Amino acid sequence: GAGVSQSPRYKVAKRGQDVALRCDPISGHVSLFWYQQALGQGPEFLTYFQNEAQLDKSGLPSDRFFAERPEGSVSTLKIQRTQQEDSAVYLCASSLYQREQETQYFGPGTRLLVL
Amino acid sequence: AQKITQTQPGMFVQEKEAVTLDCTYDTSDQSYGLFWYKQPSSGEMIFLIYQGSYDEQNATEGRYSLNFQKARKSANLVISASQLGDSAMYFCAMKTGGFKTIFGAGTRLFVKA
Repeated sequence: GAGVSQSPRYKVAKRGQDVALRCDPISGHVSLFWYQQALGQGPEFLTYFQNEAQLDKSGLPSDRFFAERPEGSVSTLKIQRTQQEDSAVYLCASSLYQREQETQYFGPGTRLLVL
Repeated sequence: AQKITQTQPGMFVQEKEAVTLDCTYDTSDQSYGLFWYKQPSSGEMIFLIYQGSYDEQNATEGRYSLNFQKARKSANLVISASQLGDSAMYFCAMKTGGFKTIFGAGTRLFVKA
């Protein structure tokens, strides 16, 4: 079946531009996660959705970052007024539920480069 | 504070040999889950294996096994019979009662022919 998809795969933005990154989770998955992965680092948690409810946004680095999942399926991560330090790979993951042992299925990521 | 430590930035292994990737963790929670993911150069994170804190036996999935030593707070990944396709980044991760999964910095594995 279809896995998690993300678009665009690559995005180049000029400093100060707004960007929107899309995630299509696996159909029926309740949980959706966004991570930021800097070069040479492990992923860092940004935010978590259970259906359409954003239950944890403690990892969002600033108020320039905003995420939504209005209908409980597709999610968008928006970064306003991008800065060079926002350059990273943004990974989306989904899981069927939110149990401790639940496997997260990751998308291929969006590589963002801010010039 | 919750933390995952992977002390091996890079590892080399000969094809068909076994290799152990180290992972130590820190948490005050009694209930937690430990995961290993593989990230090839394509960038997608691939789930390999899971170990629950209350599981009494070490997890195994095909050529992957997890050497879980709870008292030492370690969860090392063992890959048996390495293959060239195993060359990738490997991340250890931990999930406790909240929504976050915490990842280590990763170990890059190189399999030599």
